Amino acid sequence: GENVEQHPSTLSVQEGDSAVIKCTYSDSASNYFPWYKQELGKRPQLIIDIRSNVGEKKDQRIAVTLNKTAKHFSLHITETQPEDSAVYFCAARRTGGGNKLTFGTGTQLKVEL
Amino acid sequence: SAVISQKPSRDICQRGTSLTIQCQVDSQVTMMFWYRQQPGQSLTLIATANQGSEATYESGFVIDKFPISRPNLTFSTLTVSNMSPEDSSIYLCSVEESTDTQYFGPGTRLTVL
Repeated sequence: GENVEQHPSTLSVQEGDSAVIKCTYSDSASNYFPWYKQELGKRPQLIIDIRSNVGEKKDQRIAVTLNKTAKHFSLHITETQPEDSAVYFCAARRTGGGNKLTFGTGTQLKVEL
Repeated sequence: SAVISQKPSRDICQRGTSLTIQCQVDSQVTMMFWYRQQPGQSLTLIATANQGSEATYESGFVIDKFPISRPNLTFSTLTVSNMSPEDSSIYLCSVEESTDTQYFGPGTRLTVL
């Protein structure tokens, strides 16, 4: 089955700096890669996703890049703000019914003033 | 995205009892899932709730301990049976929309004494 590794487990940045979280996956057939943000006591929220037919996707201060050859994908947050502080989870799956999402272990991002 | 609600939002239960968690969606969805998230950990899939048939359980989870119902395309229940303190966790339902994107309910925080 799929295995997703996520690094780093914790990340501390100064407000305004950029943050990068990296994930690797094992199943070369995986073609859908979402990222979730989970604030303390809240549900995981989908913030961005990418499919294997594109190499990069941006949404305002958030971007995700995908390297299918190396089987890794990354989340980039620019101009970080205190409200970006949360746990971020990457995930991977094959699209199609019955194929489950496999989650990374999470990254605790802290944006310091 | 679909609006997902869960009941109860939290509960404190005695060892040996059972708790049924409800998940309601405001639109018909094909795929519904149940996850467990232990404190400080990632999301672990318990099972896929199949409408009109038995749930599909992941390794390490069994129907006798976590019976699941899915009577229609908008509703599912997860029962945590014969609870022990090790079952203390957050239980989340999620739904997958036609775009392959998966959204989570608000979760049920369970404490077993």
